[in-house]
Amino acid sequence: QKEVEQNSGPLSVPEGAIASLNCTYSDRVSQSFFWYRQYSGKSPELIMSIYSNGDKEDGRFTAQLNKASQYVSLLIRDSQPSDSATYLCAVREGNTPLVFGKGTRLSVIA
Amino acid sequence: GAVVSQHPSWVICKSGTSVKIECRSLDFQATTMFWYRQFPKQSLMLMATSNEGSKATYEQGVEKDKFLINHASLTLSTLTVTSAHPEDSSFYICSALSGRWVGEQFFGPGTRLTVL
Repeated sequence: QKEVEQNSGPLSVPEGAIASLNCTYSDRVSQSFFWYRQYSGKSPELIMSIYSNGDKEDGRFTAQLNKASQYVSLLIRDSQPSDSATYLCAVREGNTPLVFGKGTRLSVIA
Repeated sequence: GAVVSQHPSWVICKSGTSVKIECRSLDFQATTMFWYRQFPKQSLMLMATSNEGSKATYEQGVEKDKFLINHASLTLSTLTVTSAHPEDSSFYICSALSGRWVGEQFFGPGTRLTVL
């Protein structure tokens, strides 16, 4: 069974710091990797996708993928209180449904 | 990114009635749409995968006769909760798979269903 593991948190970081969110996955054939942000009571919002090993940067967000270690991470630089949310890691093989982790709750303290 | 809409955003109904939720991809064609349910403080739970023009594939434990899914066009999928009961009260979220953005999956804003 495909599994995606995340630390549930809460992860608390001070405003302006770097938040580091981690995710491991069990299925080696996974090809696509995503990070979603979900505010309480809202639906998930796609913030990053990554498909090959290495780093991918978009604004304050950097996604890192290491397929050998089956590990995906998300770094948020200059964290803001508005970044406080649950961050969902998701993986997919081909066009099959995404497999989600349970999410890490991030709290950015002003 | 792509935009997915859902209607209604919330609905309150009496037990025993049926509720239809619409999901539309506004600026792209979605051959595949997914329906999720999320209870408070819990993870997203995939209910079914919907492919345009064919029958939906339901996840284990999801009653296909209770949750009717129709994906009649490349931009519209509907979920009908038939004979709703209080235990069906939940946050229902659709998601559309975009081939345009390399298979990225975009979520609608969700529909909060409350069954009295």
